Amino acid sequence: SAVISQKPSRDICQRGTSLTIQCQVDSQVTMMFWYRQQPGQSLTLIATANQGSEATYESGFVIDKFPISRPNLTFSTLTVSNMSPEDSSIYLCSSLGTGHEQYFGPGTRLTVT
Amino acid sequence: AQSVTQPDIHITVSEGASLELRCNYSYGATPYLFWYVQSPGQGLQLLLKYFSGDTLVQGIKGFEAEFKRSQSSFNLRKPSVHWSDAAEYFCAVESAAGNKLTFGGGTRVLVKP
Repeated sequence: SAVISQKPSRDICQRGTSLTIQCQVDSQVTMMFWYRQQPGQSLTLIATANQGSEATYESGFVIDKFPISRPNLTFSTLTVSNMSPEDSSIYLCSSLGTGHEQYFGPGTRLTVT
Repeated sequence: AQSVTQPDIHITVSEGASLELRCNYSYGATPYLFWYVQSPGQGLQLLLKYFSGDTLVQGIKGFEAEFKRSQSSFNLRKPSVHWSDAAEYFCAVESAAGNKLTFGGGTRVLVKP
């Protein structure tokens, strides 16, 4: 199984600012994903990050708000732009394993004040 | 579109008692099904998965799940719960398009001593 790390683990940010979350996988993977988990809720897929191409966003999520980079097969970043208190959530990245399973990072807990 | 329903938001069990968590899915074809566990402040850990074959699958930490096509269910069970099993449990189904996961709402398990 892949081991995934995320930085930062948590942050408190002011509204109107942006935060970039980093996701590092310990092996090369084809597909990485970004999820949002709002307080007390389940996980919602934000986008699929493919190496060498633009991310694919789910309905309700746009590139201007959540730009994603995927410079190589082990790393991805998610930026939460122009934050508002409604963006307060846990953001998780995952990687696709060889057997369709996904492995998740520990998450980044974001609080927007 | 596929969907996943976990009818029980909270379940309280006594330590040593058995546990069953319900999961129902809506999907047009034979799904890829997963159970994940999220301990407080942690990311998601894969407990088990079902793709095909034997409908009773064994996972980590003594968990098992049974796929029942006729009932569109994939219930998770454990014969004897330990205090460390207190966590939130998520059932998920994979979309045939792009390996995307759709999660159920989650079931929070509390373990009484």
